[in-house]
Amino acid sequence: KQEVTQIPAALSVPEGENLVLNCSFTDSAIYNLQWFRQDPGKGLTSLLLIQSSQREQTSGRLNASLDKSSGRSTLYIAASQPGDSATYLCAVDGNYGQNFVFGPGTRLSVLP
Amino acid sequence: DAGITQSPRHKVTETGTPVTLRCHQTENHRYMYWYRQDPGHGLRLIHYSYGVKDTDKGEVSDGYSVSRSKTEDFLLTLESATSSQTSVYFCAISVRENEQYFGPGTRLTVT
Repeated sequence: KQEVTQIPAALSVPEGENLVLNCSFTDSAIYNLQWFRQDPGKGLTSLLLIQSSQREQTSGRLNASLDKSSGRSTLYIAASQPGDSATYLCAVDGNYGQNFVFGPGTRLSVLP
Repeated sequence: DAGITQSPRHKVTETGTPVTLRCHQTENHRYMYWYRQDPGHGLRLIHYSYGVKDTDKGEVSDGYSVSRSKTEDFLLTLESATSSQTSVYFCAISVRENEQYFGPGTRLTVT
């Protein structure tokens, strides 16, 4: 059974700092991996999708990498801002829509 | 915004009553999903659909049923609500390359 973990569970950084969030999964047979952010009381917003054949994806200040063989993905946030404060979740798709498994999330606080 | 709406957004109901949550999409995406989100458990898949009248169970399907009679609507029914079904329920769709987009959620409280 696929299991997804995220480290750290919570992170607090000063504004302007670069940071890395980690996502690990136990079964490397994934179709893709997706990163989301969730603001308190809100739904999930898609940030980046990495297909299994890709190594990384970039969107603005965000960069996500994928290493299938080691079962790891990282989300890099450059020059963090208070507006980046949210919970970040990763999810792996093991069977084209039939087996999405989510990590527990990392709660990020960026202090002004 | 992938044009996903959920109704109701908040609901309080009593134990033993049936409850139906609705998810509506404005585009003709084939795959739709229902998740629940709970502290300590994260997001878990309840049921999903891969077309009209085509549905299957997810990880936590006991006590839930779904129906999809039109492409744009996916209904989740709690046949007899229990306190353990108090949760936030999210609907999602898959678009290109199976990227998921989520609705705003329904907060359900079973008293």
